[in-house]
Amino acid sequence: ETGVTQTPRHLVMGMTNKKSLKCEQHLGHNAMYWYKQSAKKPLELMFVYSLEERVENNSVPSRFSPECPNSSHLFLHLHTLQPEDSALYLCASSQDRGPEAFFGQGTRLTVV
Amino acid sequence: GIQVEQSPPDLILQEGANSTLRCNFSDSVNNLQWFHQNPWGQLINLFYIPSGTKQNGRLSATTVATERYSLLYISSSQTTDSGVYFCAVSNSGYALNFGKGTSLLVTP
Repeated sequence: ETGVTQTPRHLVMGMTNKKSLKCEQHLGHNAMYWYKQSAKKPLELMFVYSLEERVENNSVPSRFSPECPNSSHLFLHLHTLQPEDSALYLCASSQDRGPEAFFGQGTRLTVV
Repeated sequence: GIQVEQSPPDLILQEGANSTLRCNFSDSVNNLQWFHQNPWGQLINLFYIPSGTKQNGRLSATTVATERYSLLYISSSQTTDSGVYFCAVSNSGYALNFGKGTSLLVTP
């Protein structure tokens, strides 16, 4: 059982589609994150939100658009993606800058 | 960012064997976590251990912060221990810096 829930678990989308990934945390944390895990590469931070404000944006292309409507929910809106964007997208939450981050189950995205 | 190196990259064990995974990092840290990524992709928290030693069942971890390394010990390994083990660190920012992981396969 995880305190961070991601939906959908799997997503296949065409390059012209628009889709959204959803993350919800039930841990009472105030910071939420999107990470990307591509094959054979370390997890890479994409975005950080603290108290619903974006505090880090790690040079992510504009075809990825995050949204944090409240401290419990985080979205990643996707549009005109490329096949190289296929990856596992992981959401995480923490209380401020630590001490410990907790991850969701991930969304495995395939762009065709 | 902080560089994180994990070794070995791959490890194959027979059930019942013990192993030690290592994580070296390039700067001082105030957060160090060990995770196990299961075959479905989920990262399971194993330890939050910026310093000292902790144990949880067959797993234990030690971080020597002054020497910038951490060790994860797996004793009496089981097939369910298979997966990828990640070390991740941070030192004041929000983001965790991950190593490339150690891929462990435990055979019956």
